[in-house]
Amino acid sequence: AQKVTQAQTEISVVEKEDVTLDCVYETRDTTYYLFWYKQPPSGELVFLIRRNSFDEQNEISGRYSWNFQKSTSSFNFTITASQVVDSAVYFCALRYSGTYKYIFGTGTRLKVLA
Amino acid sequence: NAGVTQTPKFRVLKTGQSMTLLCAQDMNHEYMYWYRQDPGMGLRLIHYSVGEGTTAKGEVPDGYNVSRLKKQNFLLGLESAAPSQTSVYFCASRPSAGELFFGEGSRLTVL
Repeated sequence: AQKVTQAQTEISVVEKEDVTLDCVYETRDTTYYLFWYKQPPSGELVFLIRRNSFDEQNEISGRYSWNFQKSTSSFNFTITASQVVDSAVYFCALRYSGTYKYIFGTGTRLKVLA
Repeated sequence: NAGVTQTPKFRVLKTGQSMTLLCAQDMNHEYMYWYRQDPGMGLRLIHYSVGEGTTAKGEVPDGYNVSRLKKQNFLLGLESAAPSQTSVYFCASRPSAGELFFGEGSRLTVL
């Protein structure tokens, strides 16, 4: 079965703390794509990153970093020195090769307190 | 840049009424999608289209119909609205390879 699990429903941190959002996926395919999206309180869905299954290199973009580990089927997202503006719901998603469908996790709500 | 535009943004219906949500994209994308978002359930795929004139069912297609008569437009119809269809609806499009681009969402309430 193809599945994305975000076990953390809600996380609260104090500003400037680091926080990691977990994403575990299941797929039988060897070629697939993983994504992270951010949904701030305003409601729109903002693309953050895409990762191909054949590229396990981790990525850093400013305070954001992503750790892709095929051995554990995980694609975790870390925010360093969190800020109040990071407060949002974050979704992890999977699309496997040969399909047009994207499978979304149920999301993790991050609250960053001042 | 407009990107993906959904209309209307908000709508209140009575049970049994019909309505159509319009999604328009100006990026010449082949693929278009309609999702619904409900608390605690993430995004669930209703219908999608892989090109002009084509449509296919997603996870939760019952009670909805779609049409893609023009490449840039993807319409979602509710023929007889039910309270269970109260939700936030998102349209998305994507090129042949890449991520989804989402519209701002349409909040529908069925009384």
